[in-house]
Amino acid sequence: QKEVEQNSGPLSVPEGAIASLNCTYSDRVSQSFFWYRQYSGKSPELIMSIYSNGDKEDGRFTAQLNKASQYVSLLIRDSQPSDSATYLCAALTDSWGKLQFGAGTQVVVTP
Amino acid sequence: DAMVIQNPRYQVTQFGKPVTLSCSQTLNHNVMYWYQQKSSQAPKLLFHYYDKDFNNEADTPDNFQSRRPNTSFCFLDIRSPGLGDAAMYLCATSGVDHEQYFGPGTRLTVT
Repeated sequence: QKEVEQNSGPLSVPEGAIASLNCTYSDRVSQSFFWYRQYSGKSPELIMSIYSNGDKEDGRFTAQLNKASQYVSLLIRDSQPSDSATYLCAALTDSWGKLQFGAGTQVVVTP
Repeated sequence: DAMVIQNPRYQVTQFGKPVTLSCSQTLNHNVMYWYQQKSSQAPKLLFHYYDKDFNNEADTPDNFQSRRPNTSFCFLDIRSPGLGDAAMYLCATSGVDHEQYFGPGTRLTVT
């Protein structure tokens, strides 16, 4: 089993709707998670980090962590065409900061 | 603004001709990372430095070397590039919260 798994998509979302992205993880990762956005041909950009159970909101983004079910999700409210990108879920795997990335979910927001 | 800088942004080299990619940071982070990312794949960790302590991943080819002469700078040397080494090379840094910040990347083409 891969340590961090995401659906590759593409996830097609109408403009203005909520995009829901999911990520599951194995016991071998720690309990700190990160969501990155990556536009085609660009480098990953940190959107949010989440370390404890529950929800964390930042603008139109909400990260949710459920340790019992071993998943972390990202909600994008009021999706805009500029949100079209690949979203990478990453989990901290040891104390010095190594991240295990998922393969990424491509999101396409259609006008 | 504090940032991670990579040079050059685009590098073309010939098969077997050594190439050096550079990374600098103004975030004063003690951990620096080098990743390789190929199209539609997650970033693949090659090395990391915790201060001057060097760590390479078990599957990083010997063809790849790295140097970190001081806190701000880190270099990736590819001694004999092959066609399979064509990729985006990403430098990242992190501090105590383990949030990784990426530079813009260097796109390497091998002819």
